[in-house]
Amino acid sequence: EDQVTQSPEALRLQEGESSSLNCSYTVSGLRGLFWYRQDPGKGPEFLFTLYSAGEEKEKERLKATLTKKESFLHITAPKPEDSATYLCAVQAGEAAGNKLTFGGGTRVLVKP
Amino acid sequence: DAGITQSPRYKITETGRQVTLMCHQTWSHSYMFWYRQDLGHGLRLIYYSAAADITDKGEVPDGYVVSRSKTENFPLTLESATRSQTSVYFCASCSLNTEAFFGQGTRLTVV
Repeated sequence: EDQVTQSPEALRLQEGESSSLNCSYTVSGLRGLFWYRQDPGKGPEFLFTLYSAGEEKEKERLKATLTKKESFLHITAPKPEDSATYLCAVQAGEAAGNKLTFGGGTRVLVKP
Repeated sequence: DAGITQSPRYKITETGRQVTLMCHQTWSHSYMFWYRQDLGHGLRLIYYSAAADITDKGEVPDGYVVSRSKTENFPLTLESATRSQTSVYFCASCSLNTEAFFGQGTRLTVV
């Protein structure tokens, strides 16, 4: 069974204090690993897709990396507007119907 | 407008009633998903579909029924609603070459 575990569950940062979120996973035939951002009362919003170990993607203050067992989302010099819940998900291969399984998320609060 | 829409946005129903949540996407994506989101549990997969007339159970399917007679629609039915089904429900769709796009969610309260 596909499993995704995110840590920590919650993270409080001062503005400018860089940190990393972890996503460890087990999946049968990884098609892709996804990072989403979710603001209160809204649906998840896509950030990154990573397909293979060693791959990295960047967007503004966010950088996602992937190994064979885990992914990290690095937040560099965060601002209050980076406060959100960050969700990690793995998509299984076509043989498993491309099922998309999410972790529990990390709630990030950035204080000015 | 292109996108994925869920209806209703908010619903209050009584225990034992049948209720259907609607999901419609305009991209002709093959894959569609239903999730529920509760505090402390993240997004849990209820059912998913790889194409019209093909559906599969996810992690928490009990008490739910889905159908997919048309590619663009993926309704979720609670056959006899229970208080434990009070939650926020999200629908998503994707193709083989895209990330999943989410609807805005339906907040369901069972009283």
